Amino acid sequence: DVKVTQSSRYLVKRTGEKVFLECVQDMDHENMFWYRQDPGLGLRLIYFSYDVKMKEKGDIPEGYSVSREKKERFSLILESASTNQTSMYLCASSLPADSTDTQYFGPGTRLTVL
Amino acid sequence: DQQVKQNSPSLSVQEGRISILNCDYTNSMFDYFLWYKKYPAEGPTFLISISSIKDKNEDGRFTVFLNKSAKHLSLHIVPSQPGDSAVYFCAATGGFKTIFGAGTRLFVKA
Repeated sequence: DVKVTQSSRYLVKRTGEKVFLECVQDMDHENMFWYRQDPGLGLRLIYFSYDVKMKEKGDIPEGYSVSREKKERFSLILESASTNQTSMYLCASSLPADSTDTQYFGPGTRLTVL
Repeated sequence: DQQVKQNSPSLSVQEGRISILNCDYTNSMFDYFLWYKKYPAEGPTFLISISSIKDKNEDGRFTVFLNKSAKHLSLHIVPSQPGDSAVYFCAATGGFKTIFGAGTRLFVKA
């Protein structure tokens, strides 16, 4: 079974703080993704990575950055948290050989920015 | 511009009856369509997929139908069970990106 873990289930931060969200997968997947989930908007892609040290912008990268120093770990960084970044953040991984791109998700981190 | 749309935010069904969840898309270049299921406080989990060259895929109680001319797909759950109560996301893939719909919350009443 693929396991994707996220460092925190709930996080409360203050406006302007730097926030790190960590994601680790244990199935040697090349592809990793960060999404945010908001009511009525579904899952929106922030960044993705298809290899170590590689990253690509998704649909809503503004205000975020990522880091992938090891294959199993993909970090999402909020350089200066703002209240509009209050959301559920979901990490996922997949195999590039899988043409359906079935993704395996972590449990999510609910971030509140005050 | 939403390329994948789920127009019903919620659906309520009696246990044992059929649940039909709908999804529309705009991009005819998508290769695969997937359904994910999400329980509260958990990440989405893959449920069933269909290739763009097929019109039906069945897995137990779950069947996905694809109508390419209408750019429409639907997920049928028969019979519905209380444990099926969750948010269902429709997704479409093409290249590196997967586009998700906004989700439909299904309530199955006992």
